[in-house]
Amino acid sequence: ILNVEQSPQSLHVQEGDSTNFTCSFPSSNFYALHWYRWETAKSPEALFVMTLNGDEKKKGRISATLNTKEGYSYLYIKGSQPEDSATYLCASRGAGSYQLTFGKGTKLSVIP
Amino acid sequence: GAGVSQSPRYKVAKRGQDVALRCDPISGHVSLFWYQQALGQGPEFLTYFQNEAQLDKSGLPSDRFFAERPEGSVSTLKIQRTQQEDSAVYLCASSGTGGNGYTFGSGTRLTVV
Repeated sequence: ILNVEQSPQSLHVQEGDSTNFTCSFPSSNFYALHWYRWETAKSPEALFVMTLNGDEKKKGRISATLNTKEGYSYLYIKGSQPEDSATYLCASRGAGSYQLTFGKGTKLSVIP
Repeated sequence: GAGVSQSPRYKVAKRGQDVALRCDPISGHVSLFWYQQALGQGPEFLTYFQNEAQLDKSGLPSDRFFAERPEGSVSTLKIQRTQQEDSAVYLCASSGTGGNGYTFGSGTRLTVV
């Protein structure tokens, strides 16, 4: 994988459902994986920065896992709420670099 | 300030017009980045400053794009002779020393008509 790829592009879930999405990134020369939550007309909000293989992080109902050997990360949302509606971006940072390479994002809509 | 501030929030420019986008980073943050997000795409790197030094401008799409940060705080991204393909959201981010965290502003949405 040369680029950062996210799937699905968009999804609609019912309030209360749990959901997850995927971020694939280049596994060679890996340094860090960032997850952001971006609501329309607001700033992208940092959710997690993950660096270690097998890392799991949690923030309220949102959690993320990281597999640096195979180059993927999952973001999980438990019991989705309407306020979780946003675009979720992941970005990879390579060793020795300060640039973030972003995926196109997953747009989540939670239906009340 | 508490966050990264960008202005204007929205800018409509006629093709050929010059524009200037401003970024106020978090006070004391050494690193400052500009990203461009075209419709349907993820943000793409444009340029990076460490204090007042522009260490990487490899992402600037053409010589019509110019960025500066003369005193190591506020930064301006200037686009000369705007073209329709310049229409995008321009995001600024800043970061302090020793950390992984990047704080983004809410962006400037540029529309070239």
